[in-house]
Amino acid sequence: DTGVSQDPRHKITKRGQNVTFRCDPISEHNRLYWYRQTLGQGPEFLTYFQNEAQLEKSRLLSDRFSAERPKGSFSTLEIQRTEQGDSAMYLCASSLGQTSSDTQYFGPGTRLTVL
Amino acid sequence: AQTVTQSQPEMSVQEAETVTLSCTYDTSESDYYLFWYKQPPSRQMILVIRQEAYKQQNATENRFSVNFQKAAKSFSLKISDSQLGDAAMYFCAYRVDTGTASKLTFGTGTRLQVTL
Repeated sequence: DTGVSQDPRHKITKRGQNVTFRCDPISEHNRLYWYRQTLGQGPEFLTYFQNEAQLEKSRLLSDRFSAERPKGSFSTLEIQRTEQGDSAMYLCASSLGQTSSDTQYFGPGTRLTVL
Repeated sequence: AQTVTQSQPEMSVQEAETVTLSCTYDTSESDYYLFWYKQPPSRQMILVIRQEAYKQQNATENRFSVNFQKAAKSFSLKISDSQLGDAAMYFCAYRVDTGTASKLTFGTGTRLQVTL
């Protein structure tokens, strides 16, 4: 297994369009996280799954954002009616979730540019 | 709310020298975890070192060590014998695990330059 993968790596879209990103976690990792990182900032938490259950959502996650992890494996993050302020790097991370000190491993991210 | 502060936007160190990156945090929790992550240019974030708050001993990973001062809520990273490959953004992060809340809270990062 080569780690967390994300697709696409880059996405350019026009304002108002919908976009969907995919994250494939490390095999057997129960927890999956989405973060957003804007230029010059650290990543900010968006949402988190334990298996297929979405356990926490940030207030940053407006109604235009939705995330799923239907079978407890890969996850998708959809942004509807994109706005220029959505331009950012979207990071996915996964962890085993079996101990309280488990480590989150990050994917390479999807860079979204909204024109 | 928990916050993480990195007051050094940029640092520079000469190859083979030692550099210390600062991090402070604010929390009312007594049990939590602290991390340093490295993000090289255009590459993914990787874990450098981790510290459990209940452990008094400072964590060490090869050339990387931390100075964890729980009372002062300070968590600095020391890089010894700096190498060109250490050049990257370094993020300090905090996590408290309450079962349903497992998110990382990051600082704004410190960009480390390594010069010859």
